[in-house]
Amino acid sequence: NAGVTQTPKFRILKIGQSMTLQCTQDMNHNYMYWYRQDPGMGLKLIYYSVGAGITDKGEVPNGYNVSRSTTEDFPLRLELAAPSQTSVYFCASSYLKHYEQYFGPGTRLTVT
Amino acid sequence: AQKITQTQPGMFVQEKEAVTLDCTYDTSDQSYGLFWYKQPSSGEMIFLIYQGSYDEQNATEGRYSLNFQKARKSANLVISASQLGDSAMYFCAMREANAGNNRKLIWGLGTSLAVNP
Repeated sequence: NAGVTQTPKFRILKIGQSMTLQCTQDMNHNYMYWYRQDPGMGLKLIYYSVGAGITDKGEVPNGYNVSRSTTEDFPLRLELAAPSQTSVYFCASSYLKHYEQYFGPGTRLTVT
Repeated sequence: AQKITQTQPGMFVQEKEAVTLDCTYDTSDQSYGLFWYKQPSSGEMIFLIYQGSYDEQNATEGRYSLNFQKARKSANLVISASQLGDSAMYFCAMREANAGNNRKLIWGLGTSLAVNP
């Protein structure tokens, strides 16, 4: 049981490039989330999903897209990367009794 | 509007002493849940403890306890017998029952705890 896994751990992008951050969970959780965390700040919700085929925007969705074709996977797509997207990205999932969220290790993204 | 406030940007505690990290919340819902997470310097987010609004007793998990004062809308985290490994950022979060089926959490900005040897 690996929990929530994210790849890559680190990435440097040039302005205008695109990439996909991968997130997979093996806990059969229905709910999945993408957050970003800027230096010294809390978490901001980008997108979330309540099940396969269902996604919705969070607080800061601009510049990102998601899909949820399976229960396990919830990739985050960055199109036309901008320096403002330099951040640490966390994927999380939840299902358990109190819906506490379990997090992946994060992806540190730098856009230059 | 729903909100979580953590008023202590940084805290220091001596090893083996207890420390309280403050969290106040604002909600009009009667049913909600409160969470604390730890984020060490390595960056991962670790779930620590949960308190439901209808739970009559304060939640405890090992050295962690939650001082839940519903009338004051506070959910302070108490760490007993601090250890050097407790040095980290601590985040308070809330889930409201009427938030629909998305199970979103509302997050505070965090408190940085440093444990001195």
